[in-house]
Amino acid sequence: KAGVTQTPRYLIKTRGQQVTLSCSPISGHRSVSWYQQTPGQGLQFLFEYFSETQRNKGNFPGRFSGRQFSNSRSEMNVSTLELGDSALYLCASSYGLAGNNEQFFGPGTRLTVL
Amino acid sequence: AQTVTQSQPEMSVQEAETVTLSCTYDTSESDYYLFWYKQPPSRQMILVIRQEAYKQQNATENRFSVNFQKAAKSFSLKISDSQLGDAAMYFCAYHSNAGGTSYGKLTFGQGTILTVHP
Repeated sequence: KAGVTQTPRYLIKTRGQQVTLSCSPISGHRSVSWYQQTPGQGLQFLFEYFSETQRNKGNFPGRFSGRQFSNSRSEMNVSTLELGDSALYLCASSYGLAGNNEQFFGPGTRLTVL
Repeated sequence: AQTVTQSQPEMSVQEAETVTLSCTYDTSESDYYLFWYKQPPSRQMILVIRQEAYKQQNATENRFSVNFQKAAKSFSLKISDSQLGDAAMYFCAYHSNAGGTSYGKLTFGQGTILTVHP
């Protein structure tokens, strides 16, 4: 069974641009969660989708948004990029609602904002 | 809001020895899950072990075991017979089972870098 895949793996953007990151969960998984990882703030929860519905959102500005498609693939979008958005963005999938279901993580997308 | 604290930024251990990583958390909830995740230098996060708060028995997975002290809100990870492949960043994480705004949200500690010396 293929693991969680994220594309692209690396991305370089400039301030003010927008970016879209993609996450394909493990086949059969319906929940996708997104996290931002930085050296200073550590791992922070962005949002979680289950069956195309956003169930939860972390404390991030409205520039961060996401969606989930009927095949459970998820995308997150960051508009008007700032230098502080440079981070490793991880997505994780689980079969049901995360918690009592193990979250499987992807390799991440490394975003650099110049 | 829940918080997770890992007080050891770095730890080291000799191969074949035992090491314990510490984690404390703060919550007013009674139903939750605790996890230890491992993130090797390749960056793929892997679940090491999971503990359900309502279970008194400490979870074990081969060489990995936890010491779960619910009243003290402590959740330490013991790695026995350490191997070179255990070298990684280890994260302690909390997940509420309350539903609602807790869906899908893992709250992580700051992590502990574990070095294994041959």
